[in-house]
Amino acid sequence: DSGVTQTPKHLITATGQRVTLRCSPRSGDLSVYWYQQSLDQGLQFLIQYYNGEERAKGNILERFSAQQFPDLHSELNLSSLELGDSALYFCASSGQAVGGELFFGEGSRLTVL
Amino acid sequence: QQQVKQSPQSLIVQKGGISIINCAYENTAFDYFPWYQQFPGKGPALLIAIRPDVSEKKEGRFTISFNKSAKQFSLHIMDSQPGDSATYFCAAETASKLTFGTGTRLQVTL
Repeated sequence: DSGVTQTPKHLITATGQRVTLRCSPRSGDLSVYWYQQSLDQGLQFLIQYYNGEERAKGNILERFSAQQFPDLHSELNLSSLELGDSALYFCASSGQAVGGELFFGEGSRLTVL
Repeated sequence: QQQVKQSPQSLIVQKGGISIINCAYENTAFDYFPWYQQFPGKGPALLIAIRPDVSEKKEGRFTISFNKSAKQFSLHIMDSQPGDSATYFCAAETASKLTFGTGTRLQVTL
């Protein structure tokens, strides 16, 4: 158990809809990362927050947004969903702003029909 | 270019054999090179990592070999066991961005 909790584990929705994925980092970790994993793209970095502030941005679509709350949990919002958004979304946390080990949750599997 | 190229895509090794997974990168600003192991239904977990000031790091049966001039690094799993069957991702980091390779699915047969 990595100590990172993600909900929901599975989510099925329709195109055009909006969903929110939630992540609780390991106790004490200030950094939260979001990754998208699909079969043909591997693990794609989306965005990182550190202590409530956005720190780094990757290949995150404009339809996607994230935030980290004062209690350090994070949410990833996906809107105007398309079939191609179907993937596993992982949250990871770290005790450091840069470098160090990432602790991944078990992921949220999103299926867009 | 932030790409990390990983090969092979899949690998079948007999129990007791050596598994070798290779990665190559282009961005010389990368300064941290971890390998992650992922079992089905689980998130990736750090296996071993290296910084570019050393050429090799060994932890138990797992060794990273790093060639800075060639911009390549590899994971060697000695005495491969069925329990090592998983997907392995190399990665490279700079400026807080960890870029992953596309993964290698390793199957260790009896």
